Amino acid sequence: AQKVTQAQTEISVVEKEDVTLDCVYETRDTTYYLFWYKQPPSGELVFLIRRNSFDEQNEISGRYSWNFQKSTSSFNFTITASQVVDSAVYFCALSGSNDYKLSFGAGTTVTVRA
Amino acid sequence: NAGVMQNPRHLVRRRGQEARLRCSPVKGHSHVYWYRQLPEEGLKFMVYLQKENIIDESGMPKERFSAEFPKEGPSILRIQQVVRGDSAAYFCASSPRLAGGENEQFFGPGTRLTVL
Repeated sequence: AQKVTQAQTEISVVEKEDVTLDCVYETRDTTYYLFWYKQPPSGELVFLIRRNSFDEQNEISGRYSWNFQKSTSSFNFTITASQVVDSAVYFCALSGSNDYKLSFGAGTTVTVRA
Repeated sequence: NAGVMQNPRHLVRRRGQEARLRCSPVKGHSHVYWYRQLPEEGLKFMVYLQKENIIDESGMPKERFSAEFPKEGPSILRIQQVVRGDSAAYFCASSPRLAGGENEQFFGPGTRLTVL
């Protein structure tokens, strides 16, 4: 069974601060995929990133960066120089290599204040 | 190309009524997945369908819920005799091949069901 834990329920920061969202996962699969999604106040689900378990390189995309550490089963997400538009709920998710079911964490609500 | 479309976006029902949620997958996608997001929670898998077949309904409540994906037309998630606990956001996703691994699921905007 797959399990994703996002221990932080809510994070509030002031604009331009950095914010890191934690994601810890459990799986027995040797090959698996990790995801991050953003859910803005409008409610839709926006895909941010997918990483496979064999690629432990950290990734940066603009102000977003991801730190994948297999040794600690973590896939953390950092927003640098946060902006008000980053206010949203962020979900970490996991699937096995042949598993169509995505297992989602409970989400972290990020509020960026001007 | 249009993405996954869901309608209605918002649906209000009184207890005991029926709710019908529609999902039109990305054109050419023959695999559809439904997820439910209860308040303050992450999404939970409900059912996986291919055209005219239910492949996996392990996440569906045993009673009152049903899903279909006919040969023509959208996928339908049907909830009979709704109760307040059914209030949630229901998301549909689709994929051109079986999702998993490199095969991505594309999510729709969701339908928010409120049961009064």
